[in-house]
Amino acid sequence: AQKITQTQPGMFVQEKEAVTLDCTYDTSDPSYGLFWYKQPSSGEMIFLIYQGSYDQQNATEGRYSLNFQKARKSANLVISASQLGDSAMYFCAMREGQGFQKLVFGTGTRLLVSP
Amino acid sequence: NAGVTQTPKFRVLKTGQSMTLLCAQDMNHEYMYWYRQDPGMGLRLIHYSVGEGTTAKGEVPDGYNVSRLKKQNFLLGLESAAPSQTSVYFCASKQTGTRGAEQYFGPGTRLTVT
Repeated sequence: AQKITQTQPGMFVQEKEAVTLDCTYDTSDPSYGLFWYKQPSSGEMIFLIYQGSYDQQNATEGRYSLNFQKARKSANLVISASQLGDSAMYFCAMREGQGFQKLVFGTGTRLLVSP
Repeated sequence: NAGVTQTPKFRVLKTGQSMTLLCAQDMNHEYMYWYRQDPGMGLRLIHYSVGEGTTAKGEVPDGYNVSRLKKQNFLLGLESAAPSQTSVYFCASKQTGTRGAEQYFGPGTRLTVT
């Protein structure tokens, strides 16, 4: 069964607007963490933001915020004030349990920011 | 800081040839990982290591072997390359002790098997 689902293969947004990238997850473990990574066309994986299952507040990192809805098992990434440099692939990932922390990745969403 | 480095960056192999991909990290991380990335499939874990001298299988281990003889290095081997192993390979490392700590990724190796 798919553990991380990203249903949007591609998204378009105009510069300076906000955009939400969807991510739903499936786990029965009460302890888990959710990550978002950005992959620009150059190929490297860049960590953006992390949310732990026990965290009371939604995570924020600059223009990135994570809309964590535990009951719905969703962890959507919100990018405010989009910039041209935000054009990239975005991956949601989950680690389960408290062990050594394997990550399971979604299939990604390609974001294109237009001027 | 170099972070996580991978050698080589590109490689073309013929079916049946062998090769080793080298991953090195200078952050003293205990955990290291090898992933492959294929179009439309995200990253999938091949093998991982929780410390020097230890390795374990991930989601897609068939056709690959790994070794972690030194803490800073994690080697991925293909004994007999197949076209299905054409992919981009990423190495990553992570520190222990912090549940939220992210994995740091290398720049990737693009491998083509003809």
